Amino acid sequence: GQQLNQSPQSMFIQEGEDVSMNCTSSSIFNTWLWYKQDPGEGPVLLIALYKAGELTSNGRLTAQFGITRKDSFLNISASIPSDVGIYFCAGQPFTSGTYKYIFGTGTRLKVLA
Amino acid sequence: DTGVSQDPRHKITKRGQNVTFRCDPISEHNRLYWYRQTLGQGPEFLTYFQNEAQLEKSRLLSDRFSAERPKGSFSTLEIQRTEQGDSAMYLCASSLLAGGHTRRYFGPGTRLTVL
Repeated sequence: GQQLNQSPQSMFIQEGEDVSMNCTSSSIFNTWLWYKQDPGEGPVLLIALYKAGELTSNGRLTAQFGITRKDSFLNISASIPSDVGIYFCAGQPFTSGTYKYIFGTGTRLKVLA
Repeated sequence: DTGVSQDPRHKITKRGQNVTFRCDPISEHNRLYWYRQTLGQGPEFLTYFQNEAQLEKSRLLSDRFSAERPKGSFSTLEIQRTEQGDSAMYLCASSLLAGGHTRRYFGPGTRLTVL
């Protein structure tokens, strides 16, 4: 099935560092969601974005809905070991119904203490 | 815990057997979704219910797959004559449409291994 492109695919960072990842699409999206998934568990919703240019924070996490509506960014500040996991973006394409979310390929984050 | 729950969490079966998974959504959510996730990939949409009506099925959902949500609450996903390619994590999610926006919440998943 169709998937969004996420970058980077994986990253190792030192505890305390800031992290940035992004998600891009070739088509316009209405909604962007960011999820975190731990091994063997379901994705947990972190942030939801509904409007182009919107910037939303959830604790140390900040996400933005790109102005072009074709991308989104997630930043994690001052990373800690429990930030380890896979981060997925998900988007609702402009032409779809509200049930049609497409997921990215994931960014695997590893934090070195 | 008032989140989405799934049962069982793990299922190992032999090729050719039938399996059934259950999903209990968040109680006030009228929409329920099934996804499949294989190793290293993001979740892929399988099917979607609004209340008891199944409104969309992905091309990934072959004739061996069937999903029901008989009373608009819990849902079941059945796979008949399982194949090794069916091995994956099956995720259920639910949402409530409010003001045109939906936030989809996932359950912990059922990990299926077909031997």
